[in-house]
Amino acid sequence: QVQLVQFGAEVKKPGASVKVSCKASGYTFSGYFMHWVRQAPGQGLEWIGWINPDTGDTDYARNFEGWVTMTRDTSITTVYMELSRLRSDDTAVYYCAREGWNYYFDYWGQGSLVTVSS
Amino acid sequence: QSALTQPASVSGSPGQSITISCTGTSSDIGGHNYVSWYQQYPGKAPKLMIYGVNNRPSGVSNRFSGSKSGNTASLTISGLQAEDEADYYCNSYTSSNTPPYVFGTGTKVTVL
Repeated sequence: QVQLVQFGAEVKKPGASVKVSCKASGYTFSGYFMHWVRQAPGQGLEWIGWINPDTGDTDYARNFEGWVTMTRDTSITTVYMELSRLRSDDTAVYYCAREGWNYYFDYWGQGSLVTVSS
Repeated sequence: QSALTQPASVSGSPGQSITISCTGTSSDIGGHNYVSWYQQYPGKAPKLMIYGVNNRPSGVSNRFSGSKSGNTASLTISGLQAEDEADYYCNSYTSSNTPPYVFGTGTKVTVL
């Protein structure tokens, strides 16, 4: 069965960077785009961007351009999202989500909590 | 990015039907049939409930249905059950430049 596994939580200081991973299994890794979505405490969902695991192509939301980087390692079917120059308002749960055939997210990781605090 | 507009809360008694609206523009909901809905329990990841406006993934109860009229999409939950109490988010593809995906503001469903 399809699984997206993310690991735990990270605490970072303002200005630092964080790299969140998402291990995919149960399907053809290169066949589906992977997206990242975040949710600040008590807030709604915010789309960050996607990566094509086959080609490595990416597309980021405009307000994340310049400080988010998405990569993948096909040998271990894992995608990564790195955020730099962290601020306190980047404190959120970060989810990876697989895109189905037509612009919807059919499987989600369990989320990774990133806390930015001095 | 401009979020799609949803009511903050909707409530109903067990057995009743409720409808959650999701209002966008002609660039997103009105211009495409790529509306999806997600259910989220506290502390859990979202779960896909509806895709392509009115399609249910395998395993999702047929009490959940979706529709669209103009720039507004709707999620209807019929035969409301206690387990339906959760947050619900709509999402649409948009052609109005970046970002290409926009979420709704979210609706808290309360079963009375």
